[in-house]
Amino acid sequence: SQTIHQWPATLVQPVGSPLSLECTVEGTSNPNLYWYRQAAGRGLQLLFYSVGIGQISSEVPQNLSASRPQDRQFILSSKKLLLSDSGFYLCAWSVFPNRITYEQYFGPGTRLTVT
Amino acid sequence: AQKITQTQPGMFVQEKEAVTLDCTYDTSDQSYGLFWYKQPSSGEMIFLIYQGSYDEQNATEGRYSLNFQKARKSANLVISASQLGDSAMYFCAMRELSTGNTPLVFGKGTRLSVIA
Repeated sequence: SQTIHQWPATLVQPVGSPLSLECTVEGTSNPNLYWYRQAAGRGLQLLFYSVGIGQISSEVPQNLSASRPQDRQFILSSKKLLLSDSGFYLCAWSVFPNRITYEQYFGPGTRLTVT
Repeated sequence: AQKITQTQPGMFVQEKEAVTLDCTYDTSDQSYGLFWYKQPSSGEMIFLIYQGSYDEQNATEGRYSLNFQKARKSANLVISASQLGDSAMYFCAMRELSTGNTPLVFGKGTRLSVIA
């Protein structure tokens, strides 16, 4: 069966520090991968998605970047964090075509607090 | 462009009663999928139910059903016999299926509180 891992689970970082969040998927190959951010009490904002190694689509211009060095690995990074980067970061995967429903499967999330 | 609208920021329901969470969508694509996810306080996103734009019958999954009205572009979630464990944020989402690699677009969510 497929599983998705994210780490760390929680992170407290000072403003201006770098960031690296990692997401890996097991049990599937060539997945579509996604990074979402959820501000406190808000909906999900799509940040990046990737349909293959080295292929990244950015949805929102900001100080974050994403990379996909391996088929099942997706990394979210920043060189200098801002206070507004605080939030709950969710990684997700899907496979097209995925059975019938095309649903996305989410990881457990990383709660980031920028101080 | 795709858009999902959830107009109810919060809802209350008595335990064992049914509740409807509203969702309207906008898309120019003829082939699309509609999804509902549940997010408890732990933060995980739990997939609940799916409705395809060409599905003739409303989707059902246990106590969840989706009231799909294509002409009105609405995809309301109905939870029957509410339980205390149903208290959570609920998100409606959609994906245009013509290309297949498009990500999900989410609404802002509805917080459901089930009262004993």
